Amino acid sequence: DTAVSQTPKYLVTQMGNDKSIKCEQNLGHDTMYWYKQDSKKFLKIMFSYNNKELIINETVPNRFSPKSPDKAHLNLHINSLELGDSAVYFCASSQEGASRQYFGPGTRLTVL
Amino acid sequence: GQQLNQSPQSMFIQEGEDVSMNCTSSSIFNTWLWYKQDPGEGPVLLIALYKAGELTSNGRLTAQFGITRKDSFLNISASIPSDVGIYFCAGPAGGTSYGKLTFGQGTILTVHP
Repeated sequence: DTAVSQTPKYLVTQMGNDKSIKCEQNLGHDTMYWYKQDSKKFLKIMFSYNNKELIINETVPNRFSPKSPDKAHLNLHINSLELGDSAVYFCASSQEGASRQYFGPGTRLTVL
Repeated sequence: GQQLNQSPQSMFIQEGEDVSMNCTSSSIFNTWLWYKQDPGEGPVLLIALYKAGELTSNGRLTAQFGITRKDSFLNISASIPSDVGIYFCAGPAGGTSYGKLTFGQGTILTVHP
């Protein structure tokens, strides 16, 4: 039983394309997050949602648009992909913004 | 913004050895978390600490919340090959940061059989 799942696992695309990554959690949590891990393995938060409401937006370019259709899902849509968007993107969830966050397996995005 | 500094950046040890790593901050944290990331996977929570001076174990892992609240330590005893991975410390950013975690740069652990 996967607690936090993401699709796809790998995403290879051309510069300028638009792509989406999906995330689902079955832990009953009400807060979900997107993190970006760069090539040096540094993890940085991008967004958080609580009960479908945006709570944190860490000065991410507006080409990135998260959408939460319900509290179990948080998707990330990226417009006009750039080379610098290549990274591993992790979804995570927690209860009521708690520190104990549970991460998905990650989506490795490669922009060519 | 808040920063967490982990050391060492990497470690190469023999199976059976004990491992120590630490994490320091320029500001006070009220919670310290230790995560492990296996290659190609997401970080997995190992230990969470909530009180200054707290010492918590999870199997061969022991973590401590520093008395100053500006540091934390993780020890692994009798390392085995599956301990290989990246270990991250993390803590909640200050203020009204609802769930925002700051992560250290990670300690890469390699265990030779």
